[in-house]
Amino acid sequence: QVQLVQSGSEVKKPGSSVKVSCKVSGGTFSTYVLSWVRQAPGEGLEWMGGIIPVFDKTNYAQKFQGRVTITADTSTSTAYMELSSLRSEDTAVYFCARDHVSGVFDVWGQGTRVTVSS
Amino acid sequence: EVVLTQSPATLSVSPGERATLSCKASQSVSSDLAWYQQKPGQAPRLLIFGASTRATGIPARFSGSGSGTEFTLTISSLQSEDFAVYHCQQYNTWPWTFGQGTKVEVK
Repeated sequence: QVQLVQSGSEVKKPGSSVKVSCKVSGGTFSTYVLSWVRQAPGEGLEWMGGIIPVFDKTNYAQKFQGRVTITADTSTSTAYMELSSLRSEDTAVYFCARDHVSGVFDVWGQGTRVTVSS
Repeated sequence: EVVLTQSPATLSVSPGERATLSCKASQSVSSDLAWYQQKPGQAPRLLIFGASTRATGIPARFSGSGSGTEFTLTISSLQSEDFAVYHCQQYNTWPWTFGQGTKVEVK
């Protein structure tokens, strides 16, 4: 049974960066496609980007290009999402999710709340 | 990017009744549409993909239909555990996009 466990809540200042981790247990980490999806308070879901660890290939939504970096460490089966130049609008819960079929997310992490406040 | 519009925003239904949720795409996404259920404080849960294929372990009371630009999620007889927010998502065209969600609440 594949499980995704994310790091804990973060409080950040505007202009700083945050790095959220997503540890995968069960299955073959390097062959998965892992995506990051965020949800601002009271809002819908928003796909940010994804990574295929075995190829170290990433794909980002244009909205986040230049501000988000998704990486993976195959030795620890952990994916990371780093978002820089934080602003208040980045306050959200950030989820990692596994691609079941290209773009279909069948396993999700529990979410990491990121609060951006001065 | 493909914009998904879900309606209604809120649906009030009594337990045991049928619920019908709509998702319309700004351009054709073929059958590359998924539905997720989300309860407060939880991650989304995959219900349907390929517009009509139930994910593993999803009860038969959940069904999806449609193709192109118009899609429907039907819950045939609402159980207490089905009151939640439902999101549609397209995976036909980058970037993957989601609708704003439909909240199904107790009438």
